[in-house]
Amino acid sequence: QSALTQPPSASGSPGQSVTISCTGTNSDVGGYNYVSWYQQHPGKAPKLMIYEVTKRPSGVPDRFSGSKSGNTASLTVSGLQSEDEADYYCASYAGSNNLGVFGGGTKLTVL
Amino acid sequence: QLQLQESGPGLVKPSETLSLTCTVSGGSISSSNYYWAWIRQPPGKGLEWIGSISYSGNTFYSPSLKSRVTISFDTSKNHFSLRLSSVVVADTAVYYCARTIAAAAWDYWGQGTLVTVSS
Repeated sequence: QSALTQPPSASGSPGQSVTISCTGTNSDVGGYNYVSWYQQHPGKAPKLMIYEVTKRPSGVPDRFSGSKSGNTASLTVSGLQSEDEADYYCASYAGSNNLGVFGGGTKLTVL
Repeated sequence: QLQLQESGPGLVKPSETLSLTCTVSGGSISSSNYYWAWIRQPPGKGLEWIGSISYSGNTFYSPSLKSRVTISFDTSKNHFSLRLSSVVVADTAVYYCARTIAAAAWDYWGQGTLVTVSS
């Protein structure tokens, strides 16, 4: 059982927006501004899309955005494109004894 | 361009020790800006952080694996290593090494290596 809770699936049509949630506790998501999001295509390594809740690494389209409220973080993908179809994982810092906990992943389908 | 490459046996017997190495090219693992991590993914399942090592050699391990994990580095070879002892079938996974740029943020990843635990 994963430490962070994500919906198993999400979907949207091309051009639409979709939001994926990631729920934790005061000991992880709610306690620190260190939430990140990863995109993983089948057979590939994860790719960092968002870190420190809202920051985008160089090269990540601004269609991807992150936010947080309380113990829940969210990833929003705007202007959905077919290549956005992938698994998405959230991760959070959980203190000096636990540098990273993950969500169970959300499969995003572009209809 | 930074590149990471995992290497090691693809098959380990139960109760034995899994050993993997991550060779880093295009940058130095002793750079003070970064930590280095091991993360795994069982087939068809989610990601799990195993542990990290800082540029100064401080180590941090997942509480659930702490008793079995050792991470070390060799700056002369610009690589870092993972040892996981007393493996069981549930340790079967793709093991990734990655660079840490911020807490829980890993920006460069190796391609991953599948390690199967089986007799």
